Amino acid sequence: QQQVKQSPQSLIVQKGGISIINCAYENTAFDYFPWYQQFPGKGPALLIAIRPDVSEKKEGRFTISFNKSAKQFSLHIMDSQPGDSATYFCAASETSNTGKLIFGQGTTLQVKP
Amino acid sequence: EAGVAQSPRYKIIEKRQSVAFWCNPISGHATLYWYQQILGQGPKLLIQFQNNGVVDDSQLPKDRFSAERLKGVDSTLKIQPAKLEDSAVYLCASSFGMGLATGELFFGEGSRLTVL
Repeated sequence: QQQVKQSPQSLIVQKGGISIINCAYENTAFDYFPWYQQFPGKGPALLIAIRPDVSEKKEGRFTISFNKSAKQFSLHIMDSQPGDSATYFCAASETSNTGKLIFGQGTTLQVKP
Repeated sequence: EAGVAQSPRYKIIEKRQSVAFWCNPISGHATLYWYQQILGQGPKLLIQFQNNGVVDDSQLPKDRFSAERLKGVDSTLKIQPAKLEDSAVYLCASSFGMGLATGELFFGEGSRLTVL
């Protein structure tokens, strides 16, 4: 019940294209869903986050879509750029508890020029 | 504002040896986390501290791993004796609070451990 499943494992997109990464969870007590971006040799950094009271959140080229009934959420990167090439992790936490983050397995995104 | 500091960045040891990693969180952050990131996987929480108390250590292999956060500031993670499967990046993170007050987790650059 504590797992967060992420797909695909890797993704190659042309510059200007749309990158889509999906995540699914089981624990209905999760109430905070962030996406973290990690570059090689660096620690993960928060990209965007959503709470289940909204179905979509957009920040610049990055959008989270959230489907509470399906227990799924996704990250959309519009107009993907080579600088977006990184590993992306979805995560979930139960803020009414300790708030610890449970991470997905990660998606390595490569944006080709 | 200074970020989360970790050292050493890289460590290579033989199996059955011991190793220690150090973390200094962002000033004022009450909550400190140690995550283990095995190559190709997402970070897995090993231990969470709130000030100098342990909040969650359910996934810490306590027969070989130990961690402390004396005085509620910096923290040390120790592995003794190390096994081959401990090869990973050990990430330290901190946040302002926990639960509803967690906010963003700020990660350090990690300590990469290779066990031969």
